[in-house]
Amino acid sequence: DAKTTQPPSMDCAEGRAANLPCNHSTISGNEYVYWYRQIHSQGPQYIIHGLKNNETNEMASLIITEDRKSSTLILPHATLRDTAVYYCIVYPGSGNTGKLIFGQGTTLQVKP
Amino acid sequence: DAGVTQSPTHLIKTRGQQVTLRCSPKSGHDTVSWYQQALGQGPQFIFQYYEEEERQRGNFPDRFSGHQFPNYSSELNVNALLLGDSALYLCASSSPYLLAGSYEQYFGPGTRLTVT
Repeated sequence: DAKTTQPPSMDCAEGRAANLPCNHSTISGNEYVYWYRQIHSQGPQYIIHGLKNNETNEMASLIITEDRKSSTLILPHATLRDTAVYYCIVYPGSGNTGKLIFGQGTTLQVKP
Repeated sequence: DAGVTQSPTHLIKTRGQQVTLRCSPKSGHDTVSWYQQALGQGPQFIFQYYEEEERQRGNFPDRFSGHQFPNYSSELNVNALLLGDSALYLCASSSPYLLAGSYEQYFGPGTRLTVT
């Protein structure tokens, strides 16, 4: 079972910041928080990941609470092309031998 | 640089038949994972191949089998197809050169399998 809880859906106005929350209250000390998104009819796409510090890349920012029990993915200026299902995944940080466990994700609808 | 490619794009099969799906990983990647995604659900892990061997398996019956070739490409085989096997089958590859904690999987576009 997925170790994360996300709201099933969210709306965001185009040009505004989209803030997608994720709860991972049972996260272990060596587990990372990963975010992927899946645009309709495409394979999932990696967005960002972090352990305990806030992270930023060209796509998004990831804010992790100090107790690491929750996080927020921020798309600073959402566009219509950001409409997708966003998955928050907890993954142990050692190597590439593991499987990604996807939950139901959050369907983000960006509206003009 | 080609990303992960999968073939065919769409496939229609009849119950009881067998199917083979193919995946070519991203250049430089040596690990291939397969996922099944039913309509409206998140992807579910089937198994992972590394060095031509199945390294980890999810909760799928033995009807699901796979293979990895020396060039790292992979096949997913499903025998005795059931209506419930209708889904999007995704292949993902990852790099052997990983920074600590880094585990980015690159997904292909998937193969849409319909069982009638």
